[in-house]
Amino acid sequence: EAEVAQSPRYKITEKSQAVAFWCDPISGHATLYWYRQILGQGPELLVQFQDESVVDDSQLPKDRFSAERLKGVDSTLKIQPAELGDSAMYLCASSLGGDAISINTEAFFGQGTRLTVV
Amino acid sequence: AQTVTQSQPEMSVQEAETVTLSCTYDTSESDYYLFWYKQPPSRQMILVIRQEAYKQQNATENRFSVNFQKAAKSFSLKISDSQLGDAAMYFCAFKAAGNKLTFGGGTRVLVKP
Repeated sequence: EAEVAQSPRYKITEKSQAVAFWCDPISGHATLYWYRQILGQGPELLVQFQDESVVDDSQLPKDRFSAERLKGVDSTLKIQPAELGDSAMYLCASSLGGDAISINTEAFFGQGTRLTVV
Repeated sequence: AQTVTQSQPEMSVQEAETVTLSCTYDTSESDYYLFWYKQPPSRQMILVIRQEAYKQQNATENRFSVNFQKAAKSFSLKISDSQLGDAAMYFCAFKAAGNKLTFGGGTRVLVKP
């Protein structure tokens, strides 16, 4: 069964260091999402890609966060420099669909990367 | 902008009983989808049930059903015959044109044996 792959599963980093997360969506999924989830809260959208283009990064702290999906397939989310408040679960999800709603609008999630900044 | 609100931080249910989780949303869109996702402890988010806004009939998936009230912008989830494996965080989510998926704050469901 196709799955969204994320790595690493866990990451501990010191504040002010750089950290990167990787996501490989389900093959054929044009839409890719990165979410941040603080323990006990709902996921917050950081960035949404449609193929290789960013369609929403309004909540991405652009002074320290960056995201790319160069060939419209896998994606990398980077934080530099990491801060203590960045400790959270980072979730990647993908779905079919283009500009308009299609019937196949379910988003599939990876297992996430749990980041701890010390 | 769309917002999704889940007013119940935690709900407890006895095994085999029924529990209902509340969700309200705010949008100016006329066409959209609503979802309930389940996130078990230390496991990935999975879809429980979905509802198309243009359908008046409430969606049902085995022991899970929704009560969709479009005018009231309400979308509740009912879990019938609760099982121990139902214990998890449940998130209500909204998607409209552009594919942006917005989540509520979640409700933790505890199942008592």
